[in-house]
Amino acid sequence: NAGVTQTPKFRVLKTGQSMTLLCAQDMNHEYMYWYRQDPGMGLRLIHYSVGEGTTAKGEVPDGYNVSRLKKQNFLLGLESAAPSQTSVYFCASRRTSPDEQYFGPGTRLTVT
Amino acid sequence: AQKITQTQPGMFVQEKEAVTLDCTYDTSDQSYGLFWYKQPSSGEMIFLIYQGSYDEQNATEGRYSLNFQKARKSANLVISASQLGDSAMYFCAMLIREYGNKLVFGAGTILRVKS
Repeated sequence: NAGVTQTPKFRVLKTGQSMTLLCAQDMNHEYMYWYRQDPGMGLRLIHYSVGEGTTAKGEVPDGYNVSRLKKQNFLLGLESAAPSQTSVYFCASRRTSPDEQYFGPGTRLTVT
Repeated sequence: AQKITQTQPGMFVQEKEAVTLDCTYDTSDQSYGLFWYKQPSSGEMIFLIYQGSYDEQNATEGRYSLNFQKARKSANLVISASQLGDSAMYFCAMLIREYGNKLVFGAGTILRVKS
């Protein structure tokens, strides 16, 4: 049982480049989330999904897009990377009873 | 405003002693959940313990217990018999009923266990 996995683990981009982060979960959870973690701060929600084919904006969605074509996968895209998007990105999926979010191992992204 | 406050940026504890990490929260919701996560230097977020707002008893998970004082809006984490492997960043988080039931995180407390 892999839980929540994220690909890649590390990435360095140049300003203006694009990339996609992949999150996969094998627990059949409906809800999935993308958070970012910056130094000295807790995690902040970028986008989320309440089920296959649905996405919605979180607190800090600007510069990101997401897709949830399959229930087990939640993709986070950066169309034109900026240095302000240098961060650690965490994906999570949510079990509803009891309520708990399971986190992936994180992706460390640096934009130069 | 929905907010989590962790007032201790860093804490030290002697191995085998107990330590309390503080967490206060602010919400107008009647139904919410409180979580503690551990983040070691390797970076992953590890779930430790959960307390629902309607739970009357304090949650416990092994050496972890959550001291839930609803009237004070506090949810402190108590780690008993500290171990060197407990050295990590600890985040308190609150589940709120918006943004698809997202987690609101505090800024974290770095715990260092001394031998």
